[in-house]
Amino acid sequence: EDQVTQSPEALRLQEGESSSLNCSYTVSGLRGLFWYRQDPGKGPEFLFTLYSAGEEKEKERLKATLTKKESFLHITAPKPEDSATYLCAVQVSSNTDKLIFGTGTRLQVFP
Amino acid sequence: DAGITQSPRHKVTETGTPVTLRCHQTENHRYMYWYRQDPGHGLRLIHYSYGVKDTDKGEVSDGYSVSRSKTEDFLLTLESATSSQTSVYFCAISEYSTDTQYFGPGTRLTVL
Repeated sequence: EDQVTQSPEALRLQEGESSSLNCSYTVSGLRGLFWYRQDPGKGPEFLFTLYSAGEEKEKERLKATLTKKESFLHITAPKPEDSATYLCAVQVSSNTDKLIFGTGTRLQVFP
Repeated sequence: DAGITQSPRHKVTETGTPVTLRCHQTENHRYMYWYRQDPGHGLRLIHYSYGVKDTDKGEVSDGYSVSRSKTEDFLLTLESATSSQTSVYFCAISEYSTDTQYFGPGTRLTVL
């Protein structure tokens, strides 16, 4: 069964304290892995798509990486405005009509 | 929100009442999706559409129906709402099935 697991469930960081969020997946064939950011009361906001092992993408303080079993979202010197829930989703090659989502990591960054 | 609106944004209804949620897009994208989001679960696909009058079921489709009579509108109907359908509902769109999905602002539905 195709599955996506995110860890940790919640993460509290001091401003400037770098860390990483993990998304591990077990799928029959990966077409793409997506990272989204979700603020309370809002819809998920697209961040990155990764397609193959070894690929990396960056945006401001965020960098996403991909291996054959997992993806990391690295947050460098976070600021309070980076506080949000980060969602990971995978698209399977055999059925590209749907995304399989993890349950998310809730990140809080304190000043 | 990538030209996606959802209505209503909040709704409280009673068990057994029919409810229709609307998703409207201005991007002319072919694919439209309905998800629900509940604590402890990831976003779960209810139904999706790959064109006007073309729809298919997702993983949690029981108790829901959909319709798409125009490219820009995708309706989700709960024929007889139950308390287990209390959730936040998100609409998403994409140009092709393999493309990034962009999400709307959501509708919070409470069934009493």
